[in-house]
Amino acid sequence: AQSVTQPDIHITVSEGASLELRCNYSYGATPYLFWYVQSPGQGLQLLLKYFSGDTLVQGIKGFEAEFKRSQSSFNLRKPSVHWSDAAEYFCAVGSGYSTLTFGKGTMLLVSP
Amino acid sequence: NAGVTQTPKFRVLKTGQSMTLLCAQDMNHEYMYWYRQDPGMGLRLIHYSVGEGTTAKGEVPDGYNVSRLKKQNFLLGLESAAPSQTSVYFCASSYRGNEQFFGPGTRLTVL
Repeated sequence: AQSVTQPDIHITVSEGASLELRCNYSYGATPYLFWYVQSPGQGLQLLLKYFSGDTLVQGIKGFEAEFKRSQSSFNLRKPSVHWSDAAEYFCAVGSGYSTLTFGKGTMLLVSP
Repeated sequence: NAGVTQTPKFRVLKTGQSMTLLCAQDMNHEYMYWYRQDPGMGLRLIHYSVGEGTTAKGEVPDGYNVSRLKKQNFLLGLESAAPSQTSVYFCASSYRGNEQFFGPGTRLTVL
C-alpha cells in the first residue's frame, strides 16, 4: 500500500530564510508526486507535481521540489520565505490512474 | 469557469439528522472525490468516483453514502449524523488520476 510521511508537524522559519519541507513516500512503482498548500479556511491549491523526466520540478510562488528515487523523497524547497507563505503544506503520492494518498501535513510558521 | 464548488459552506446538525453535501465541477473531469479533514489527520478519502454512475469506497466510508448521477455532480450523504462526523469536508475532481482540483470546503458541526 502506498503511504506518505511528512516528519515535521510544525516548522518555523524566519522571513527571508530558506525553507525545506520533507516528504518521504512508499510506493511500489514509479510514483506521481504532488505538493499542495492550504491557507487557513481555504481549499488545497497545487504547488507542483512530478510525473516523469527532470527530477527537479518548478512550481508556483517560487517553490521547487526534487524527486530522489534512491531516498524515496520529494522535498519541497524555497530559497527565501515570505510571510504570505505561512500555511499548511501537504505532500501526496499516486499512480496517475486513481486515488492519491496524502501526508498529514506540515504547518509552516513564518517569523518576522 | 468556477472550477469545483461545494454547497453549503457551513452546516450545523443535531445527532441523528440527515443531510446531503453537493459538489459540482465544470472541468469535465471523470474522477471526483470526497475527503474529510480533521486536525492532525491530514486528508482522508471517504468515497470516490471514476465516472458517471460509479462509486467506490475510500479509507473512511462508514456512515456516508455517495451518488454520481451526473458527470459534473458528486453528492455526499449522511443518513444519521454523529458527533464523530464533525469535520471539514472537501470535494475534488481530476482528469483520471492526475492532479486534483479542490473545492473550498464545507464545515460541518454535529451536536
